[in-house]
Order: sequence, then structure tokens, then C-alpha cells
Amino acid sequence: ETGVTQTPRHLVMGMTNKKSLKCEQHLGHNAMYWYKQSAKKPLELMFVYSLEERVENNSVPSRFSPECPNSSHLFLHLHTLQPEDSALYLCASSQVKLATDTQYFGPGTRLTVL
Amino acid sequence: AQKVTQAQTEISVVEKEDVTLDCVYETRDTTYYLFWYKQPPSGELVFLIRRNSFDEQNEISGRYSWNFQKSTSSFNFTITASQVVDSAVYFCALSEAYGYSGGGADGLTFGKGTHLIIQP
Repeated sequence: ETGVTQTPRHLVMGMTNKKSLKCEQHLGHNAMYWYKQSAKKPLELMFVYSLEERVENNSVPSRFSPECPNSSHLFLHLHTLQPEDSALYLCASSQVKLATDTQYFGPGTRLTVL
Repeated sequence: AQKVTQAQTEISVVEKEDVTLDCVYETRDTTYYLFWYKQPPSGELVFLIRRNSFDEQNEISGRYSWNFQKSTSSFNFTITASQVVDSAVYFCALSEAYGYSGGGADGLTFGKGTHLIIQP
């Protein structure tokens, strides 16, 4: 595998379910990000991790819970979601957590909440 | 706060035509970085270019070219001799050099994107 991978690519869940999104980067980077892409809205930064430490939490509801066990893996745990949480969730990584650094994105997980 | 505006929601051209995608940004930082990404139907954002605020030189990469003008706060993207494979959503993004260290949520700010359709 190369670059940034995400699994699953598609997920349908009910509002009472608990699920997790997984992101893995094979670039040797030290910073990882979760973004939400909703229809007709700009990409929204959700969380930023640098060296496995969360450094940004952009006012995201607590029903989204990130986890970064090591610098290569990032998870987004989901529970009791709402239909408006349906979106494309994109993971990205960069060498370091600096504005100068280019972020490289995975293919995303298309989430549908029923 | 930083802001990126892509006024063109959708552009449709016939193959081989040239097309320009507009990007206007707002920032109070004197040091910042501008990016363009391409998002094909598969969903993955593909990095195209990064430009810092001190380098106003235009850049050309094959059929792609970028025009950065600080005087008008614009960073426009031109595709010459467009091809069907260029069909995608294109995003312009801005990152302030000191946005992260300031502790705020301002990081990589994206425009809403321009959906480019190249018809055969």
C-alpha cells in the first residue's frame, strides 16, 4: 500500500450503531487529520494529531471520537450519529503539523446515517 | 480569519478548450500558503501545487498553469487544451503560517470547489 488509505470506503449505519473509520498513512508522516466534506459545503477540519497527540478539536460534537495509537494510524469512532452527519470523511497526513506542509489525502469514507 | 472563495460552482467546456478556475482569498497574515487540489469522482483529493506568499512567480506544469497575484488576492488555475480526464472538482485552499501555533482552529481552509466538466 502507498500513500494514505482509508477503510471502509462506504458505510451505512443507524443512529444507534457504533462504528469506526480507519486511516493509515504509509508516508512516514508525523501529523494526521480528519476532515468532513458535506454536500455544497467547504471541507471542514475536524481533528489534528501531531506525534500522536491531539492538537486541534474544531468544535466537533462528542459523538465523534478520534484515536491515534501511533503516527501511522488514525481512527474516528462514531456513536449515536445523526442523519446530518452523513458525509464524506477524509483523512490526511503531512510530514509535520505546520502550515507550510502539504497535506496528502486518502480516498475517504462515504458515510450514510439512516 | 482566513477565507477562500471559488465563485464558479460549475464550469462546462468542450475538450481542447482552455479553462480558468478562479480563487480569491482573504488573510491577515503576511506569510501564507496557497494550494490547489483535484478531487476526481473516486473521492481522493490529489495535491497539485503549493505556493508561498513571497513567491509571485507564475508556474507552469505541462497543461496546468497558475497565476498568483497578491494585489488582487487571487490564485487562479488554468488548464490549457483541456481533456476529459481533467473532469473533477478542484479546490483552492489557504494556510496561514502562524495559524497553527496561534492555537486556533484556522488551518487549511478550503473553498467550496469548482466542478469542472470537460465534454468530449
